[in-house]
Amino acid sequence: DAKTTQPNSMESNEEEPVHLPCNHSTISGTDYIHWYRQLPSQGPEYVIHGLTSNVNNRMASLAIAEDRKSSTLILHRATLRDAAVYYCIRNSGNTPLVFGKGTRLSVIA
Amino acid sequence: DTAVSQTPKYLVTQMGNDKSIKCEQNLGHDTMYWYKQDSKKFLKIMFSYNNKELIINETVPNRFSPKSPDKAHLNLHINSLELGDSAVYFCASSPIWGQISYEQYFGPGTRLTVT
Repeated sequence: DAKTTQPNSMESNEEEPVHLPCNHSTISGTDYIHWYRQLPSQGPEYVIHGLTSNVNNRMASLAIAEDRKSSTLILHRATLRDAAVYYCIRNSGNTPLVFGKGTRLSVIA
Repeated sequence: DTAVSQTPKYLVTQMGNDKSIKCEQNLGHDTMYWYKQDSKKFLKIMFSYNNKELIINETVPNRFSPKSPDKAHLNLHINSLELGDSAVYFCASSPIWGQISYEQYFGPGTRLTVT
């Protein structure tokens, strides 16, 4: 049980920002929110993670709601190479990652 | 330099055979994992190893036997292969077991097809 809820699919135009939502309403205080993505025919790739504060890195930004029951992965400018399945995962560190179905992002040129 | 590598990339074999998949990481990580991604694309943990010791076995049939000769390697041996074993198998590693915040690095996957 992934314990997160994501839309099955989303579509974006190239060069535009993308906001990928995730609900984790039963998150515990020690759970981090991790995002991974899986490009076609490749292994999952780490994107970003956070606990309470918003986080930025070279790949994306992670906005975490104040009550921590939801989060949003933000790709600032989608490219064709960002087309992938994006997984939102809650994890407290002592257990392996539990992947759900994720959101399949399509990027239109 | 490939961080997590797996061999072979593709493996086609017949039911009943025994096969192995090898995994190596050059990141100096303590923890390694095997995941299985089935035809419906669900990715599920199979095993977790920390410092060559088995930490987690997620109710995987005992036909699957992981072996870790050292921290950098985690191999997966499968006996008496069945049709249902057809899947993509991913190896992964992470720095420290039990650390609250860590990221996992995944290999490219091994596509196993059992005929």
